[in-house]
Amino acid sequence: DIQMTQTPSSMPASLGERVTISCRASQGISNYLNWYQQKPDGTIKPLIYYTSNLQSGVPSRFSGSGSGTDYSLTISSLEPEDFAMYYCQQYDSSPLTFGSGTKLEIK
Amino acid sequence: EVQLVESGGGLVQPGRSLKLSCAASGFTFSNYYMAWVRQAPKKGLEWVATISTSGSRTYYPDSVKGRFTISRDNAKSSLYLQMNSLKSEDTATYYCAREDYSASPYFDYWGQGVMVTVSS
Repeated sequence: DIQMTQTPSSMPASLGERVTISCRASQGISNYLNWYQQKPDGTIKPLIYYTSNLQSGVPSRFSGSGSGTDYSLTISSLEPEDFAMYYCQQYDSSPLTFGSGTKLEIK
Repeated sequence: EVQLVESGGGLVQPGRSLKLSCAASGFTFSNYYMAWVRQAPKKGLEWVATISTSGSRTYYPDSVKGRFTISRDNAKSSLYLQMNSLKSEDTATYYCAREDYSASPYFDYWGQGVMVTVSS
């Protein structure tokens, strides 16, 4: 199984700040990497698919990049609604696996 | 508007069975792969099962293979997860999710989740 390691596990940040969350795969995943956001009420929505493609309706302050084993999600300027959990997910091979999550908290 | 509504969760004893349902609306259900993803309390997300559009192909991780069965009824726009031989480690919130393969596979819509507690 491909292990996905997300860092940091939690991140205090301020409104307007630029933040980057990292995700490292245990082997190359050929850009088959998605990002999801989970709100405290459990609601999950996709943000980025295939490394850098923005899901329809997601604000342009979100962006994704990476290649090989290393990927990242960047939020250019934090808004109040961005404080949530973030998960990466690979689909290069079965079983599909998720990172352990990054909690973005208000500083 | 796409909606996915799970039901059938609850408290069940170890070794027993439970069947979850997911009612889909707002899209042509038969055109999409569907999946179940779970989240144990205070833990991350874990993929549980995927089913093809016709239901002819199913996929599972080793953690549930042989115990869980995913199925669908396209006439009813419904997805199911039959869970047998339940263990305490199956305790989780179970999410129904739609898989979009148009560009690159990802879960583009999720339900609100249903809680399953396995305990004696």
